[in-house]
Amino acid sequence: QSVVTQPSSASGTPGQRVTISCSGSNSNIGSNSVSWYQQLPGTAPKLLIYSNSQRPSGVPDRFSGSKSGPSAFLAISGLQSEDEADYYCASWDDSLIGYVFGTGTKVTVL
Amino acid sequence: QEQLVESGGGLVKPGGSLRLSCATSGFTFSDYNMIWIRQAPGKGLEWIAYISHSGGTISYADSVGGRFTISRDNAKNSHYLQMNSLRAEDTAVYFCARGGIRGFDPWGQGTLVTVSS
Repeated sequence: QSVVTQPSSASGTPGQRVTISCSGSNSNIGSNSVSWYQQLPGTAPKLLIYSNSQRPSGVPDRFSGSKSGPSAFLAISGLQSEDEADYYCASWDDSLIGYVFGTGTKVTVL
Repeated sequence: QEQLVESGGGLVKPGGSLRLSCATSGFTFSDYNMIWIRQAPGKGLEWIAYISHSGGTISYADSVGGRFTISRDNAKNSHYLQMNSLRAEDTAVYFCARGGIRGFDPWGQGTLVTVSS
């Protein structure tokens, strides 16, 4: 239902690098900045990345963001067990005149 | 410490109304845009409403437009979501968050709204 799609799941072993994609269109990601959120089970989401690639203070540098055209990417390097969570991207949509969230990706640490 | 606390959730019958509140502290509330986001059980995040720092610009998701109203009181460091004509599909945890060019941060802990007869 969301206009921004993410893979439903991703996984890796401890220490590996995992990359999550966020695919939108020219009306959202293609022309506006992207933010990323981590949601641990039973908790409120937490900001991980803003303005495509900026990390708020306190977010480990294992998390990095990038954007290319209508797609954005979140990379988690040196995967740790505490990274097991749901991850969402978000962007403003000029056509909808509102924000859109991606469909979400569940990351599992094997 | 910047903090947001939602209140006002609960059980309501279809067609009923509820008013959610989001009380803030630790930052200059009148400088920031504010938003409401919801998450249905087992589902993803859905943005539903936005209000600019002055209250002069408001936007809604199509799923709630015409039924929900966002407002703010800068003197009380709070903003609100009036929800009318509630439907079963509005059942969700409702989060408030501070919005801006630095993303949505911080978030409140959420308040559960259940629409059921």
